[in-house]
Amino acid sequence: EAGVAQSPRYKIIEKRQSVAFWCNPISGHATLYWYQQILGQGPKLLIQFQNNGVVDDSQLPKDRFSAERLKGVDSTLKIQPAKLEDSAVYLCASSLRGGGDIEQFFGPGTRLTVL
Amino acid sequence: GDSVTQMEGPVTLSEEAFLTINCTYTATGYPSLFWYVQYPGEGLQLLLKATKADDKGSNKGFEATYRKETTSFHLEKGSVQVSDSAVYFCALLTGGFKTIFGAGTRLFVKA
Repeated sequence: EAGVAQSPRYKIIEKRQSVAFWCNPISGHATLYWYQQILGQGPKLLIQFQNNGVVDDSQLPKDRFSAERLKGVDSTLKIQPAKLEDSAVYLCASSLRGGGDIEQFFGPGTRLTVL
Repeated sequence: GDSVTQMEGPVTLSEEAFLTINCTYTATGYPSLFWYVQYPGEGLQLLLKATKADDKGSNKGFEATYRKETTSFHLEKGSVQVSDSAVYFCALLTGGFKTIFGAGTRLFVKA
């Protein structure tokens, strides 16, 4: 079974530029998560989708970050414009469904460097 | 708010040594507790979990017991191997079904 796919793996941009990340979850997984992991810290949830609806985006900086999950499968996360403090690894995860003690499966992440 | 605190790393051990990585949490209600592991060059993966007080999660020789009275979920392994070198994250699942991670503890095991 294929795992969670993310692209690109690495991205370097200058501040005020825009960037987009793509995630393809495990087939059949209804719930998709985007996390931000700053160096030396644990992952922080940015947004959680259940199918193509948003369940939780309370920690998403909505003035510059946006995310969508078309048709309840793939998802993109966009930053526009980027700031220096957005340098981090962006992790995508998926699970069969949300809630309870359902295991999340993580992709390899996209490492973003903002110069 | 809900939070997870785990011991700072790095932790450096010799092969076959005993491992303990401390994790304590603050949460309302009765969260589920997890340990995730990130091996070099790989994504995060679930190592073990416990969903209620006094439950013991175990996998690959690792164990952790959900201690409600001390709000702890310490990770232990009796004899570590070089292949256990990784970053270990303690996490909790809140009542609102949000996963909160600790900062991670890097483990180095020397041959």
